[in-house]
Amino acid sequence: SQTIHQWPATLVQPVGSPLSLECTVEGTSNPNLYWYRQAAGRGLQLLFYSVGIGQISSEVPQNLSASRPQDRQFILSSKKLLLSDSGFYLCAWSVNLFGLETQYFGPGTRLLVL
Amino acid sequence: AQKVTQAQTEISVVEKEDVTLDCVYETRDTTYYLFWYKQPPSGELVFLIRRNSFDEQNEISGRYSWNFQKSTSSFNFTITASQVVDSAVYFCALKENNNDMRFGAGTRLTVKP
Repeated sequence: SQTIHQWPATLVQPVGSPLSLECTVEGTSNPNLYWYRQAAGRGLQLLFYSVGIGQISSEVPQNLSASRPQDRQFILSSKKLLLSDSGFYLCAWSVNLFGLETQYFGPGTRLLVL
Repeated sequence: AQKVTQAQTEISVVEKEDVTLDCVYETRDTTYYLFWYKQPPSGELVFLIRRNSFDEQNEISGRYSWNFQKSTSSFNFTITASQVVDSAVYFCALKENNNDMRFGAGTRLTVKP
């Protein structure tokens, strides 16, 4: 069965510090991978998605970046965090089978930027 | 353009009551998919159901049921005999072919004992 991991679970970082959040998927090959952000009490905003190694599409211009160094690894980074980067970050995976695609989410990382 | 509207921001019910969460969507495509996810206090989004645009059959899974009405562009979710463990934020989502999944703003359901 497929599982998705995210770490760390919680992170408190000062403004201007770097960020690295990691997401890994097990039990599937060549998944589509996604990073979402959920601000407190709000819906989900798609940040990045990837259909393969080294292929990253950005949805929203910001100070965040994403990388996919391996098939089942997706990393969200920032060189300098802003206060507005605080939120709940969710990684998701999916496999597109004949047009059918369901996204399955990881446990998320709560980021607080102070 | 895709759009998903969950007009109910918060709903509070007493245990054993039935509750319906509304979802209205907008799309110009004839092929699309609709989803419901549950986000309990732990934060993880749990997939509940996926429906494609060609299948308007209502679905029942235990205490959960979904009413898909293309005529009104709605995909409503009903919980029968609600329980405290149903307390969560519920998200409706829409995906067209070649487009990203778009989520509604979510409905926070609180079930009181």
